[in-house]
Amino acid sequence: DSGVTQTPKHLITATGQRVTLRCSPRSGDLSVYWYQQSLDQGLQFLIHYYNGEERAKGNILERFSAQQFPDLHSELNLSSLELGDSALYFCASSAYSGNTIYFGEGSWLTVV
Amino acid sequence: DQQVKQNSPSLSVQEGRISILNCDYTNSMFDYFLWYKKYPAEGPTFLISISSIKDKNEDGRFTVFLNKSAKHLSLHIVPSQPGDSAVYFCAASVPGDYKLSFGAGTTVTVRA
Repeated sequence: DSGVTQTPKHLITATGQRVTLRCSPRSGDLSVYWYQQSLDQGLQFLIHYYNGEERAKGNILERFSAQQFPDLHSELNLSSLELGDSALYFCASSAYSGNTIYFGEGSWLTVV
Repeated sequence: DQQVKQNSPSLSVQEGRISILNCDYTNSMFDYFLWYKKYPAEGPTFLISISSIKDKNEDGRFTVFLNKSAKHLSLHIVPSQPGDSAVYFCAASVPGDYKLSFGAGTTVTVRA
């Protein structure tokens, strides 16, 4: 158990819909990251938040947005969903001074 | 732009023998390297890391070697065990940027 909690674990939704994925980082970690893993693909970095502020953006679509709240939990919002958005979405966290990030178990999103 | 490359998508090794996983990178600014292990439907688990000031780091059955001049690192697992069957990801980061760049992964199968 990495200490990073993600909900929901599985989600099936229709095209055009909007979903929110939630992440609670490890206790004390200020950094939260979101990664996407599509079928047969590696881990693609989406976005990084540190103590509530956006620090870096990767290959995140404009239809996607994220935020980190004062209690440090984070949400990834995916809107106008398309079939190609079906993927595993991982949240990860790290301490402010650490380079090792720890992953949650992921949220499986299936768009039908 | 894949800055971290794992050119072998799969590796099959007999139980008790050595597994050698390879990783190449293109960004000379990378100064911290990590290996993650991932079972199906689970999040990646941190395995071992190495800083660019070292050329070797060992933790039990796992040893990571770094060759900065060749921009190459490898993970050795000795002896390989059935529980080592998983996907292994190589990752790297630049100083001050906790975002990790991941390789595409190598699937290791340990045969009894």
